[in-house]
Amino acid sequence: SQTIHQWPATLVQPVGSPLSLECTVEGTSNPNLYWYRQAAGRGLQLLFYSVGIGQISSEVPQNLSASRPQDRQFILSSKKLLLSDSGFYLCAYRQGPWNGYTFGSGTRLTVV
Amino acid sequence: AQSVTQPDIHITVSEGASLELRCNYSYGATPYLFWYVQSPGQGLQLLLKYFSGDTLVQGIKGFEAEFKRSQSSFNLRKPSVHWSDAAEYFCAVGGMTTDSWGKLQFGAGTQVVVTP
Repeated sequence: SQTIHQWPATLVQPVGSPLSLECTVEGTSNPNLYWYRQAAGRGLQLLFYSVGIGQISSEVPQNLSASRPQDRQFILSSKKLLLSDSGFYLCAYRQGPWNGYTFGSGTRLTVV
Repeated sequence: AQSVTQPDIHITVSEGASLELRCNYSYGATPYLFWYVQSPGQGLQLLLKYFSGDTLVQGIKGFEAEFKRSQSSFNLRKPSVHWSDAAEYFCAVGGMTTDSWGKLQFGAGTQVVVTP
């Protein structure tokens, strides 16, 4: 069966520190992968998506970057975190246009 | 450009009462429509989806949604809510055009509170 793993579940980081959030998918190949951010009281904002290894599209200019070193691995990174980077980060995959997204359980990031 | 509007930020409903959540979309081609539910601190779970065919779609947990092209709406309904339905609900739209392939646009969400 297909599953998606996201870690860590929670993270508290100081301003200016680096960030690495990891997402892996099992049971499928060549999925579309997505990173979303959900700020408190707001909807979901698409940050990055990837249609294949090494292929990253950025939706909004920001302090974050993404990479896809393997087919089923998607990493969200930052060199120096800002307070405004706090939020709930969700990874998702989509297997074909006929399916919706399957989401991971999310990472709660608090930048202090 | 595609967009999704959920007019109700917050809805309070009594347990056992019916529930309807509104969703209006803007999309230049045939839309693919989805409803998701999010419990606190969790990821989103797919409730149902519409691509074509019967405009009344059945989903999990007793939910259904009706696609009305003339009104650009895809409202979610449940005849009798349970306390466990308290959550945030998101409507999303996607499509098959080059710009939109693979990307879903989400509404801002509707928070549902269920009272005894």
